[in-house]
Amino acid sequence: EPEVTQTPSHQVTQMGQEVILRCVPISNHLYFYWYRQILGQKVEFLVSFYNNEISEKSEIFDDQFSVERPDGSNFTLKIRSTKLEDSAMYFCASSTGQGSNQPQHFGDGTRLSIL
Amino acid sequence: AQKITQTQPGMFVQEKEAVTLDCTYDTSDPSYGLFWYKQPSSGEMIFLIYQGSYDQQNATEGRYSLNFQKARKSANLVISASQLGDSAMYFCAMRVLNQAGTALIFGKGTTLSVSS
Repeated sequence: EPEVTQTPSHQVTQMGQEVILRCVPISNHLYFYWYRQILGQKVEFLVSFYNNEISEKSEIFDDQFSVERPDGSNFTLKIRSTKLEDSAMYFCASSTGQGSNQPQHFGDGTRLSIL
Repeated sequence: AQKITQTQPGMFVQEKEAVTLDCTYDTSDPSYGLFWYKQPSSGEMIFLIYQGSYDQQNATEGRYSLNFQKARKSANLVISASQLGDSAMYFCAMRVLNQAGTALIFGKGTTLSVSS
């Protein structure tokens, strides 16, 4: 069964550094998402992306965040100047979008640790 | 504003028994979808089951079923014949269906522990 792939599985970065989290969505999916989950808390929406542009974003997704689909397969989340509170599990998800009741399929996540 | 409430931080069940995980939701939009995800200790998020607001019948997927009570705004997950591998965090989520690609709103989750 096709799946969403995220790399790396764990990223350790110094505060203030830039980090790029990578995702390969399911190949026939059209909508892509980033969510985050701070340890022990609920999953929070960051951003959705369709047709090479952001379709929706949350208050969390401020100017330090950006997303990009640099080629036909990858979808990236960049955090420009990381802060301690950015430490979390980051999930990429994708959906077909052909029926809005289609589930979003999640990757295994990238655990980001900011030191 | 949309909101998902899961009031059970933890649930305990014996193998082979059924368990119900509660979820209530709040939205003013008439067209919405409700989703359940399982998160094992390894961290991945696994889609389990979906219920649409206009669906007449409760959704079922193998041992998972959704007890959808629209008037009460509840969408409880029922796991029949629990297995040790069902031990995980379970999240209820919702999104409006007026356009594709909208965000999932998650509850805080319920930790299920299955014992032998």
